[in-house]
Amino acid sequence: DQQVKQNSPSLSVQEGRISILNCDYTNSMFDYFLWYKKYPAEGPTFLISISSIKDKNEDGRFTVFLNKSAKHLSLHIVPSQPGDSAVYFCAQGYSGAGSYQLTFGKGTKLSVIP
Amino acid sequence: KAGVTQTPRYLIKTRGQQVTLSCSPISGHRSVSWYQQTPGQGLQFLFEYFSETQRNKGNFPGRFSGRQFSNSRSEMNVSTLELGDSALYLCASSLGASLSYEQYFGPGTRLTVT
Repeated sequence: DQQVKQNSPSLSVQEGRISILNCDYTNSMFDYFLWYKKYPAEGPTFLISISSIKDKNEDGRFTVFLNKSAKHLSLHIVPSQPGDSAVYFCAQGYSGAGSYQLTFGKGTKLSVIP
Repeated sequence: KAGVTQTPRYLIKTRGQQVTLSCSPISGHRSVSWYQQTPGQGLQFLFEYFSETQRNKGNFPGRFSGRQFSNSRSEMNVSTLELGDSALYLCASSLGASLSYEQYFGPGTRLTVT
């Protein structure tokens, strides 16, 4: 059973509009959440993170919202740009006992249409 | 500063063979993690090494193994290859074994098992 779920495999958005990517999780013990972006033929690159003590974290055009009661987080990209077209992975992190582990969702492919 | 490098980038093997993949982390990084990416399962955690010790292991059979050398370079080995092992294998490095350190991914090794 998947611990981190990205239920939308793909999303298309017009340039300049808002992109909202969603992620649900089941394990509340993991208290750190991250978003990664992946272009074809490249490894994922870190985008933004949030710890469970916060409900919002913002970095430029990217904002991540965490709703702990709903076990849901979302990534907002405003305004969306064609260069944002990529696969976005949500990840939940466990850190403890001198090690860490990330559990990833299956990804959402975002296409920003010029 | 050079990024994470993975060799080889592409590999074709026959079922039943074994394979060794290599990862050179960013200079100064001591933690290396390995992930398997397939279209159906997304990114799945294989194992994490820190200072030559395996700290964490994902839910993969014993055919998947790894090691880390004193210079932090890491190798992963898959024995008795199966068709289902065809995937993109990603390596990520970070300064320390904690989620407070950002993970940097390499471009991956594309393994095809025929």
